[in-house]
Order: sequence, then C-alpha cells, then structure tokens
Amino acid sequence: GAGVSQSPSNKVTEKGKDVELRCDPISGHTALYWYRQSLGQGLEFLIYFQGNSAPDKSGLPSDRFSAERTGGSVSTLTIQRTQQEDSAVYLCASRDTGRNTIYFGEGSWLTVV
Amino acid sequence: QQQVKQSPQSLIVQKGGISIINCAYENTAFDYFPWYQQFPGKGPALLIAIRPDVSEKKEGRFTISFNKSAKQFSLHIMDSQPGDSATYFCAARRKDSSYKLIFGSGTRLLVRP
Repeated sequence: GAGVSQSPSNKVTEKGKDVELRCDPISGHTALYWYRQSLGQGLEFLIYFQGNSAPDKSGLPSDRFSAERTGGSVSTLTIQRTQQEDSAVYLCASRDTGRNTIYFGEGSWLTVV
Repeated sequence: QQQVKQSPQSLIVQKGGISIINCAYENTAFDYFPWYQQFPGKGPALLIAIRPDVSEKKEGRFTISFNKSAKQFSLHIMDSQPGDSATYFCAARRKDSSYKLIFGSGTRLLVRP
C-alpha cells in the first residue's frame, strides 16, 4: 500500500504480558516515529529513527518500552510486562528526507486487561 | 512539560458557522506549525501548516493565523460542514534535524446540520 501500515490494528492483552507492535513505513521514507495517544489526549512522542543514526529514545516512558528498526524499514515497538496504563493507541509515522510532512498510520489500539 | 497548549477541548458549531481553535506555544525553538485532522479510528492527517515568518495561510475553507510575538496560532474553519466533525491537533516542530512534532491535546469539533 501507499501509506504507513501498522499491525495489529487491535490488541487485547493481559497485564504482565509482552506485546509487539509493527510498523511498515512508506517506501523510501528514512525517518520513522512512534507516538502514543491515550484516550482523549494528545499525541505523546516516544521514539524517532533516522536512517542509520542512533535512535532518539527520549520519549520512552520506562525501560519496559523498546523499539527497533531493521534494515532501515520496518519497525517494531515492544512493551514488556504490560500495565493497564499502557492502554492507548500507538501511532507510527514516517517522513521523507528533507520533506516537512509526517504521515501517520491508523494506529494499533492496545488494551491491557 | 506541555509546550503546546490547545483550546477549547471541545467545540460545537452549527453548519455554515466559523470554527476557531487556538494554540499557544512556550518555546521559541520551533520552526513549523502544522494542524492535523483525525477522524475516529483513523490516524491524524496533515490539514494545513505555516512557518513563523508568515502571519496567515489560507487553503480553501481553512486558515491559520500566526502571531509570533504572542507565540499563538489558530485554525479557522469557514463555512463549517458536518463532514468537518473530527478531532483537530495543533503541533509545533522542533528546530532540529529530528523534525519531531510536539502536539497539543486536541479539540473535538462537532458541526451540527
């Protein structure tokens, strides 16, 4: 597809389990972002990847959160030992080098029960 | 800390009316101010954006007004339509190579027929 693709679209998990969320950015986009959107809240920056540079992890809320980007394309956000407060929509976005516009996927809705 | 403050939290407008959403930022290290529109179940999509050296930008029924000295910017939707009902986010982009966006908390707009 032409847009940012995320999977799963919905995930219900039990407290304490690990989850992996996947993002497939727009082909050729070198910059990739993860944001979190809690119910009724704005978008909270989590992590940023740019090419082969070291990622900007400054937004990750705890060491239970990690992300990787393999081959400069697909990214996986991992949340270990999930907590109820992790319930949110996790949005991935990508941007072409030197361009302004950041394009978002439709998000992965995570519910921790 | 919240660097972009958005108001109101929700807004109800009659069809044909003007919708106005306001944002203020607290940091001068921003160089680009986009507005995103989000429909339920979808990711945010870029609506319109402005640079701080311009005081106003208009695209169709959507206008951004920017006041650099007051560190404020606003979105005006003229002739509001029921199809404009969505959540609107203002954002400010960090003036560094990350192009990281800092988002406001969002405004839920309802346009009544």
